[in-house]
Amino acid sequence: GQNIDQPTEMTATEGAIVQINCTYQTSGFNGLFWYQQHAGEAPTFLSYNVLDGLEEKGRFSSFLSRSKGYSYLLLKELQMKDSASYLCAVLDSNYQLIWGAGTKLIIKP
Amino acid sequence: NAGVTQTPKFQVLKTGQSMTLQCAQDMNHEYMSWYRQDPGMGLRLIHYSVGAGITDQGEVPNGYNVSRLKKQNFLLGLESAAPSQTSVYFCASSPMRAGEVVNEQFFGPGTRLTVL
Repeated sequence: GQNIDQPTEMTATEGAIVQINCTYQTSGFNGLFWYQQHAGEAPTFLSYNVLDGLEEKGRFSSFLSRSKGYSYLLLKELQMKDSASYLCAVLDSNYQLIWGAGTKLIIKP
Repeated sequence: NAGVTQTPKFQVLKTGQSMTLQCAQDMNHEYMSWYRQDPGMGLRLIHYSVGAGITDQGEVPNGYNVSRLKKQNFLLGLESAAPSQTSVYFCASSPMRAGEVVNEQFFGPGTRLTVL
């Protein structure tokens, strides 16, 4: 079967750095997405990786290793507004998105 | 440019009732989809469409039907609601390149449905 694993919840301190991991086992791979979802709101797009390596976008970076079935989202200089759930999703060989359950990130002052 | 809109935002149904959730997008996207989101689970695809008049089943289609008569609208119907269909429903749209969904999906604000 297809599986996406992420930690359920993480806690970090304002101003710090946090890394949210995602491991996947899917039938084929056509890219990996990270989305942010604030409580009670819709998911919004953060990043897309299809090649190995690090993609940096402001305070957020996303890393992919296809051989290891692994990705992480790195958030720097954490702000209170970064408190949200972070969803990892993989595009499989049929171009269907398989979603992880999400990681709830709690930021403390 | 409203993006993706959904109506209603909230709905309470009794078991056995029927209803239609509406989704509209003004971005001229070919691909549209309906997801449900339950606590502790990832988003699960119910049905999707790659163009007007073309729909297909996702991961959890049972108990739902869809209609896409126009490119900008995608409707999700519950024929006979059950408590197991209590969930948050998201509509999403995406442009397509070379016939494949490779881009980010844009989500509507969601419909919170409770079936008693």
